[in-house]
Amino acid sequence: DAKTTQPPSMDCAEGRAANLPCNHSTISGNEYVYWYRQIHSQGPQYIIHGLKNNETNEMASLIITEDRKSSTLILPHATLRDTAVYYCIVRVAGDSSYKLIFGSGTRLLVRP
Amino acid sequence: DTAVSQTPKYLVTQMGNDKSIKCEQNLGHDTMYWYKQDSKKFLKIMFSYNNKELIINETVPNRFSPKSPDKAHLNLHINSLELGDSAVYFCASSQGESGNTIYFGEGSWLTVV
Repeated sequence: DAKTTQPPSMDCAEGRAANLPCNHSTISGNEYVYWYRQIHSQGPQYIIHGLKNNETNEMASLIITEDRKSSTLILPHATLRDTAVYYCIVRVAGDSSYKLIFGSGTRLLVRP
Repeated sequence: DTAVSQTPKYLVTQMGNDKSIKCEQNLGHDTMYWYKQDSKKFLKIMFSYNNKELIINETVPNRFSPKSPDKAHLNLHINSLELGDSAVYFCASSQGESGNTIYFGEGSWLTVV
């Protein structure tokens, strides 16, 4: 079972920031938070991951609360191409099982 | 260059047939996976291989048999196809111990009629 809870859907206006929340209240100390997205009819795409500190890359920023029980993925300037299902996943990096357990994700609709 | 490539992209076949889906990655990764996405859109892992050895087998019927001839390839063979096998099958790969980023292929859309 997925260890994360996400809202089923969200929308935002093109050019604005999209803030996607995720709850992972049972996360363990050695579990990372990963974000993937799946654009319609394509394979899942890695976005970002983090352990404790906030992270930023060319795609997004990841804000993790101090108690690590929740996080927010931020797409700073959403475009229409960012319309996708966004998955928040927790997993142990380096775990020999290497499993990603996907939940139902958040369907983000970016409006023109 | 496609990092993780799967063939065929679309496959329509009759119940009872045997079919294979091929996967190749050119990322130099040592771990490969098969995921299944059903009609309800849930993505679930089926198998994973590390250095050609099976690591994960997630309660998949033994009609499904993965084969990894080398680290760059992980093929999925399905015997006696059933209607419920209709789904999108995603191949993926990652690099071993760090395993941080898993790269997915574009999917193979299997329809059993």
